[in-house]
Amino acid sequence: DAGVTQSPTHLIKTRGQHVTLRCSPISGHKSVSWYQQVLGQGPQFIFQYYEKEERGRGNFPDRFSARQFPNYSSELNVNALLLGDSALYLCASSSQTTSTGVATEAFFGQGTRLTVV
Amino acid sequence: AQSVTQPDIHITVSEGASLELRCNYSYGATPYLFWYVQSPGQGLQLLLKYFSGDTLVQGIKGFEAEFKRSQSSFNLRKPSVHWSDAAEYFCAGHNNAGNMLTFGGGTRLMVKP
Repeated sequence: DAGVTQSPTHLIKTRGQHVTLRCSPISGHKSVSWYQQVLGQGPQFIFQYYEKEERGRGNFPDRFSARQFPNYSSELNVNALLLGDSALYLCASSSQTTSTGVATEAFFGQGTRLTVV
Repeated sequence: AQSVTQPDIHITVSEGASLELRCNYSYGATPYLFWYVQSPGQGLQLLLKYFSGDTLVQGIKGFEAEFKRSQSSFNLRKPSVHWSDAAEYFCAGHNNAGNMLTFGGGTRLMVKP
């Protein structure tokens, strides 16, 4: 079975541009989360979606947005890119969220390396 | 505030030696706890998880971790390290509010031949 897949793997953008990152969860998983990992740090939570609804949002500016599609795939959008947005963006999928009363683990994709110049 | 702390930024061990990576958590209730491993430029691979029950959990690649409520710790151990274990290790946790993981800063493991 395929794991979590993310595209593209690498991306270079110029300051002020917009970027869209894509994620396909493990088959059967309905929850997708996005994390930003700046070099040398642990991942930071950005968004969680479950059944196409936003279930959580981290401390990120409104330039960051996301959505989940009926097939449970997801997009992360970042507008007006800044140099500080350069990072590895990780997508994780889970079968549920614990708000449904069931604890599950998250499985991560290989990430998209975004470089803003 | 919920937090996960990994006190050691770097650790170097000799191949064949034992390993313990420290993780401390701060949560109002017993959290769900995880250890992930990350090779350079790669995503995160789940090593093991603790949800409830037995406080000693076994994971992949010969790793284990022990949940100690009294010490608010969830340390990762391996009896004999292999050169291929060199990587970055992250402890993470979440609570009943959802699967929004809080990560520690990571511990970079280097293995000497």
